[in-house]
Amino acid sequence: SAVISQKPSRDICQRGTSLTIQCQVDSQVTMMFWYRQQPGQSLTLIATANQGSEATYESGFVIDKFPISRPNLTFSTLTVSNMSPEDSSIYLCSVALRVGRETQYFGPGTRLLVL
Amino acid sequence: AQSVSQHNHHVILSEAASLELGCNYSYGGTVNLFWYVQYPGQHLQLLLKYFSGDPLVKGIKGFEAEFIKSKFSFNLRKPSVQWSDTAEYFCAVNEAGGGNKLTFGTGTQLKVEL
Repeated sequence: SAVISQKPSRDICQRGTSLTIQCQVDSQVTMMFWYRQQPGQSLTLIATANQGSEATYESGFVIDKFPISRPNLTFSTLTVSNMSPEDSSIYLCSVALRVGRETQYFGPGTRLLVL
Repeated sequence: AQSVSQHNHHVILSEAASLELGCNYSYGGTVNLFWYVQYPGQHLQLLLKYFSGDPLVKGIKGFEAEFIKSKFSFNLRKPSVQWSDTAEYFCAVNEAGGGNKLTFGTGTQLKVEL
């Protein structure tokens, strides 16, 4: 398994500003992902964070809005840019140790409220 | 695109009652199947998973799930629930060879009353 921490755990932000969320894993992992859980809805994959290259975004999500970094095998950041109230969500980092038949482990999430 | 349906959004049971939560998915190829649980104030945890083999899988805390390929279903069961099972339950699916990306159902909020 993997132990994942996220910072911040929660934040309240003003419209038009940006927030960077950090995800730290206690061991090297192959796959890292970012999900969003909007109020009353399920988890939606934003992107796969690729080490040493650009993230792979899902339909409906773009790099300008959600830039992602992954400098090494244990750390990633997600930035929510130019925020609006519609960005109020829980943002979750998840990891899989390897590609293939693998369990994903989830971080505690970052609860974001945009005013 | 793949989708996952969970039929029950809110379930209320008394302790010792039996539980079955439905999950259906739309993808026709080979899939890996998961149930995750989120207890109040905690993060998502894996309850059980199916990759291949015996379609009846057992997970933690007495939960089990059965994969029925012909019905595209992966229902979660527990013969006797406890108050501590109060939580939100998510079914999730990924395509074998699809890069581990998970598609989640909408979740079922289970409340167990004493």
